[in-house]
Amino acid sequence: EAQVTQNPRYLITVTGKKLTVTCSQNMNHEYMSWYRQDPGLGLRQIYYSMNVEVTDKGDVPEGYKVSRKEKRNFPLILESPSPNQTSLYFCAGGQAWDSPLHFGNGTRLTVT
Amino acid sequence: RKEVEQDPGPFNVPEGATVAFNCTYSNSASQSFFWYRQDCRKEPKLLMSVYSSGNEDGRFTAQLNRASQYISLLIRDSKLSDSATYLCVANTNAGKSTFGDGTTLTVKP
Repeated sequence: EAQVTQNPRYLITVTGKKLTVTCSQNMNHEYMSWYRQDPGLGLRQIYYSMNVEVTDKGDVPEGYKVSRKEKRNFPLILESPSPNQTSLYFCAGGQAWDSPLHFGNGTRLTVT
Repeated sequence: RKEVEQDPGPFNVPEGATVAFNCTYSNSASQSFFWYRQDCRKEPKLLMSVYSSGNEDGRFTAQLNRASQYISLLIRDSKLSDSATYLCVANTNAGKSTFGDGTTLTVKP
């Protein structure tokens, strides 16, 4: 079964404390992407990756980093989280950029 | 102006009604399009791909109009279980994907 796994599901942290949200897919998909979703703003793309070692900025990349050292993993890194990064985060994977996406269950992050 | 604009909603309809959602996109480099369904802040799930030739799946029909840069979703014979938020998305071949803000549908008995 196609699966995208994100961890953790819920995270409460303090301003400035580095954190990583992991994302893993079991579908051998080339394309992966991170989104944040805020009330009234829909899903906004943070970073995406067309393939291993290839990452690009989406619409809201400030304050985030990603890496794609292997096909299955695409972690989202917040080096110095701030309260405006409190949000619901989704990781997604697809066979290619023009394929349907499978989403992870989401990570609800609160930065105090 | 947002790159992908959706009907603001919410849509409240009785069971059995036909409801239509529209999205317009402004990036002419957009090449692939989808509709997703999202329940109560859970993960979005694919509803349909959208093609210029139209795409039908049971009670759902999706259409793409490249000349006018809009996509549509038609739901016939609405069921209570169709209540959800519907998201459209436009993707470019550079990998950028832009979602609309979503339209909330509530189907009432």
